[in-house]
Amino acid sequence: GESVGLHLPTLSVQEGDNSIINCAYSNSASDYFIWYKQESGKGPQFIIDIRSNMDKRQGQRVTVLLNKTVKHLSLQIAATQPGDSAVYFCAENGGSQGNLIFGKGTKLSVKP
Amino acid sequence: ETGVTQTPRHLVMGMTNKKSLKCEQHLGHNAMYWYKQSAKKPLELMFVYNFKEQTENNSVPSRFSPECPNSSHLFLHLHTLQPEDSALYLCASSQATLTRGTEAFFGQGTRLTVV
Repeated sequence: GESVGLHLPTLSVQEGDNSIINCAYSNSASDYFIWYKQESGKGPQFIIDIRSNMDKRQGQRVTVLLNKTVKHLSLQIAATQPGDSAVYFCAENGGSQGNLIFGKGTKLSVKP
Repeated sequence: ETGVTQTPRHLVMGMTNKKSLKCEQHLGHNAMYWYKQSAKKPLELMFVYNFKEQTENNSVPSRFSPECPNSSHLFLHLHTLQPEDSALYLCASSQATLTRGTEAFFGQGTRLTVV
């Protein structure tokens, strides 16, 4: 029979272009947010985090933007490379006792 | 490498088998977690241990039994599983529970298939 999997939003970009991955979070009480990258066959890997007292944070080639008004988080990747191909998850510490709640993820495909 | 090691990486077991998953971290973290990642759902928190004490059981069936003998080791004992339990089981650790806003480091996961 047909298998039904989790439908992941997919973003396809050309190598060298900038990528923007978006996430809507659920709990207005969340005050800490993380972006994770998960490559095939591996566990999630920390990319960058941001606290709610900030609206922007930059890392190496990555920037996270936080809009608390609309509960929106975005990850910008500059000069996207083939090695950036992965599933990207946002997470918020809005679960009970501050545990992380993960989004469904976005699959990023980089075309050479 | 994140410093969180899981074994085995792959496991195939029958529904009547008993097996255990192991997780180890030497990062000096005090909190450890089990997550389930399946094809049909987002990453799901199963159990949380803080200073070896279980602080959260997220309505997980009793056929999954966690054990945390010390802050560096975490086990997930499996018994009488169902095919729908097939998934990637991820262990994570953090310096403190996440109310303090610290990142969680994940292991590579154990790919479990129940036949």
